[in-house]
Amino acid sequence: GEKVEQHESTLSVREGDSAVINCTYTDTASSYFPWYKQEAGKSLHFVIDIRSNVDRKQSQRLIVLLDKKAKRFSLHITATQPEDSAIYFCAASHNSNNRIFFGDGTQLVVKP
Amino acid sequence: GPKVLQIPSHQIIDMGQMVTLNCDPVSNHLYFYWYKQILGQQMEFLVNFYNGKVMEKSKLFKDQFSVERPDGSYFTLKIQPTALEDSAVYFCASSSGLASQNTLYFGAGTRLSVL
Repeated sequence: GEKVEQHESTLSVREGDSAVINCTYTDTASSYFPWYKQEAGKSLHFVIDIRSNVDRKQSQRLIVLLDKKAKRFSLHITATQPEDSAIYFCAASHNSNNRIFFGDGTQLVVKP
Repeated sequence: GPKVLQIPSHQIIDMGQMVTLNCDPVSNHLYFYWYKQILGQQMEFLVNFYNGKVMEKSKLFKDQFSVERPDGSYFTLKIQPTALEDSAVYFCASSSGLASQNTLYFGAGTRLSVL
């Protein structure tokens, strides 16, 4: 089955800098890649997604890149703010099942 | 935005007892999920549920686990009997369509402590 790996377990940046979280997946049939954010003691909430028919998507300060050949995707957070501090989960899914496979999470710390 | 409610937020029980975790999904959603989070990070898929039936389940969804959603009521995860390794945070989620095409909305989780 699908295996999603997040390369950084923790990431620390200064406020205003960019943060990049990288993920890889194994199943070439995966076509949908959402990102979720989990603040301390809270639930996951959706932040942005990308589908395999595009290689880039931007929503305000969030940019997602997808490289299907390398089976790699990444979340770029520009002009980071302290409230961006959270655990970020990448995930992958494909049409033949109804599962989302999550990476292990990256703890992002934005220092003032 | 849409909200998924989970009751209770924390449950402490003795090993061997039964526990039921309750989830009130987003009202017009049709697909329901349970995930288990261990050590504050790993999100492990347990089961998904649609039209009154389990669609898929993982190896973590042991024989002691069961799910149901009687009409108009909570989507529940029952563990009977519980084991020490069942201690974790359990997240319920729901979606309006397939997970491969629709956003999953998560509840705040139920922290289960098995003593």
